[in-house]
Amino acid sequence: QQQVKQSPQSLIVQKGGISIINCAYENTAFDYFPWYQQFPGKGPALLIAIRPDVSEKKEGRFTISFNKSAKQFSLHIMDSQPGDSATYFCAVGPGSARQLTFGSGTQLTVLP
Amino acid sequence: DSGVTQTPKHLITATGQRVTLRCSPRSGDLSVYWYQQSLDQGLQFLIQYYNGEERAKGNILERFSAQQFPDLHSELNLSSLELGDSALYFCASSLSPSAGAGTEAFFGQGTRLTVV
Repeated sequence: QQQVKQSPQSLIVQKGGISIINCAYENTAFDYFPWYQQFPGKGPALLIAIRPDVSEKKEGRFTISFNKSAKQFSLHIMDSQPGDSATYFCAVGPGSARQLTFGSGTQLTVLP
Repeated sequence: DSGVTQTPKHLITATGQRVTLRCSPRSGDLSVYWYQQSLDQGLQFLIQYYNGEERAKGNILERFSAQQFPDLHSELNLSSLELGDSALYFCASSLSPSAGAGTEAFFGQGTRLTVV
């Protein structure tokens, strides 16, 4: 069973545009929803995370929107920059499994 | 720099061989997680240790094993290697047994394993 579904698989955005990546989860026991950013040849780096008691969290140009009833959350990157070009993973956790379960990833390309 | 150290960075070995990957968690973190990343499977959780004890198992093959030592570093042992085991192997660490708010999981740079 795929516990978290991420879309789109790839995304191309113009510099200055808004990048939006979506994730949907199944298990309502999850209470931690982070996003990780991964550059080629590097490990995933924690970008921003949210708990289900809030509907939105903003850190700089990055915002998580959380819809508990729909069991969905999304990452919005405002004023996207070429340096944001990377693979982004949503994750859910820890639930009963204790560890993070990751989405399939979104490869973001920001064109200059 | 996440503070999680993995060695070696690259490893090339032949089928049927055995290798050991090493991970040193961030200072103060008691929990270590191992993940495998491949193009077709994404980031797959393998196993977790907390303060020396196994806490959770994911999609880890019987040919693979891990342990966490008293100094909290961890080793992932991969044996009878097959071509399909070629992947990036990541270690992550967190303070508590569960990755969550206030006890986030931080990843190392990974070990790229190539089986030829």
